[in-house]
Parts: sequence; C-alpha cells; structure tokens
Amino acid sequence: AQSVTQLDSQVPVFEEAPVELRCNYSSSVSVYLFWYVQYPNQGLQLLLKYLSGSTLVKGINGFEAEFNKSQTSFHLRKPSVHISDTAEYFCAVTVYNTDKLIFGTGTRLQVFP
Amino acid sequence: ETGVTQSPTHLIKTRGQQVTLRCSSQSGHNTVSWYQQALGQGPQFIFQYYREEENGRGNFPPRFSGLQFPNYSSELNVNALELDDSALYLCASREGTSSTDTQYFGPGTRLTVL
Repeated sequence: AQSVTQLDSQVPVFEEAPVELRCNYSSSVSVYLFWYVQYPNQGLQLLLKYLSGSTLVKGINGFEAEFNKSQTSFHLRKPSVHISDTAEYFCAVTVYNTDKLIFGTGTRLQVFP
Repeated sequence: ETGVTQSPTHLIKTRGQQVTLRCSSQSGHNTVSWYQQALGQGPQFIFQYYREEENGRGNFPPRFSGLQFPNYSSELNVNALELDDSALYLCASREGTSSTDTQYFGPGTRLTVL
C-alpha cells in the first residue's frame, strides 16, 4: 500500500522569503507524484506533477518540486512567496494503472507581510 | 476555474437521512472520481466512474453509492447518514482513465450532519 506524509502541518513565512514544503511517500512500486493547492472555499488545483524523466519539475505560480527516489521525497519549493500563496498544499501519489490519488494531510502555508 | 461544478455548495442533514450530491464534469471528460475531505485531513478516494460504470472503489461502506449519466455528470448518494460523514465532498473529472491524466477538481459540497 502507498502512503504520503507531510511533515509540517503549518509553515509560516514572510513575504518574499523562500519556502519548502516537505513530502515523503511510501510505496513498494513506482508512483506518480503530484502537488495540489487548495485556496479557501475552493477545490484543489494542480500545481505540478512528476511522471518520469527529469527529477526537477516546474509548475504554475513559480513553484517547483524535486523527486528524490532514494529518499522517497518530493519536496515543493518556491524561491520567493507572495501573500497570495497563502493556502493549503497537498502532496499526492498514484500508482500506474490504478484509479485513486492518495493524499497527505496537507500543509497550511501562511504568508505574512 | 476548472469547469467542474458541484451542487449544492452547502448542505445540512440529520443522522439517518439520505443525501444526493451532484457533479458536472468538464466538457469531454468521461471519468469522474469522488473524494471525501474531513476537516483537517487530505481527500480520501471514495470511488470512480468511467462511462457510467464504477471501476474503482476506496474503503467506504456500500451506503456510499454513485451514478454517472450519459452526459458524464454524476451523483454521489449517501444513505443512513452518520455524524462522521460531515465533510467536504469533492468530485474530479478527467479525460481518460490513465493514472497520468490530470484530475480537475470542483469546488466541493460541504455536508454537515447533525
């Protein structure tokens, strides 16, 4: 079975500072990896996904993530955050030829002026 | 905005009642999945429909059921509501059944069970 661990439930950061949101996964088979963002009172929006190839994945809104197979991690980074990045961020995995996304419990990014 | 819509936005029910939630998929998408997101948790997979047939299910009891219609809109039905069913219910649509296809989520229906 697969599982996702997001180590930080909340990450406070000042505007224009860099941020890293951590995600580790557990799986005995190869997985695909995703980061979603959820703004207040909205559904989930895909930020980026890793399927194969280059381990550094660039997404929308200036976010990027690096897949590290040996450490089973897929940390999300942004070099300079904005107030508008305040939201809940979810890491998720899925296995080839399966139907479901398995989500972590989320990390709340709070950006302060 | 993803093009996936859900109704109603909010709903309040009492224990033992039945509820139907609706989802309109993005145009051209023939696969829909439903997720339950309890407060402070990540979404959990309930089931998936492809071309009107259920083709995947998570660890939810049979009182959670669904339908997908020829126009690919769908419904989630929950019978005999329990307090723990209080959650945000999300539907997500995609064009095919590949694990690599992006799923587009709707804004959700917040269900409160009293």
